[in-house]
Amino acid sequence: DGGITQSPKYLFRKEGQNVTLSCEQNLNHDAMYWYRQDPGQGLRLIYYSQIVNDFQKGDIAEGYSVSREKKESFPLTVTSAQKNPTAFYLCASRGGQGARETQYFGPGTRLLVL
Amino acid sequence: AQSVTQLDSQVPVFEEAPVELRCNYSSSVSVYLFWYVQYPNQGLQLLLKYLSGSTLVKGINGFEAEFNKSQTSFHLRKPSVHISDTAEYFCAVGGSGGSNYKLTFGKGTLLTVNP
Repeated sequence: DGGITQSPKYLFRKEGQNVTLSCEQNLNHDAMYWYRQDPGQGLRLIYYSQIVNDFQKGDIAEGYSVSREKKESFPLTVTSAQKNPTAFYLCASRGGQGARETQYFGPGTRLLVL
Repeated sequence: AQSVTQLDSQVPVFEEAPVELRCNYSSSVSVYLFWYVQYPNQGLQLLLKYLSGSTLVKGINGFEAEFNKSQTSFHLRKPSVHISDTAEYFCAVGGSGGSNYKLTFGKGTLLTVNP
């Protein structure tokens, strides 16, 4: 089945630790996105990538980093500089003939601070 | 710049009643509009989208939405809800041309269907 997978489902971070969230898609989509979701805040864009080896900051990129070495993969690292990392993180991809603006989402990773 | 306002943060209804979830947007360019649904601890699932053409859009699970350009609205409706429709619903707007790769989301409306 085609789709987007995120792992792990739950992730615990200690103070001062960097953690990496995985996002993989087999939809052959060029564009991929990372969003952060907090209760009552909707979704806020962290980073996006429209093509391999290229990515841009979104609205809340501080304290996060990404890479896009393969079309299928867009991992997100939450660094120690992110002081309030507790949130639900969603990965999405966009593409397909005629899909235009349509983004498809993975199941999410919940990050908690110990 | 684009923005989305979902006018109700919570909407409680009884089973089999009709429901309308309201969404207004602002944009200086032509827009694409979306409604997504999120069940607890899951990702977002696309309900329906408006890209062009007919202003009445039908989606999955019996939902529909109407694009009203003069009122800059894209309200979501269902004539008879089920308990299983309990979820959070997000309206989103994307622009055409140079900004068509980014979506702006509203803050969500929690629909609670009571027996």
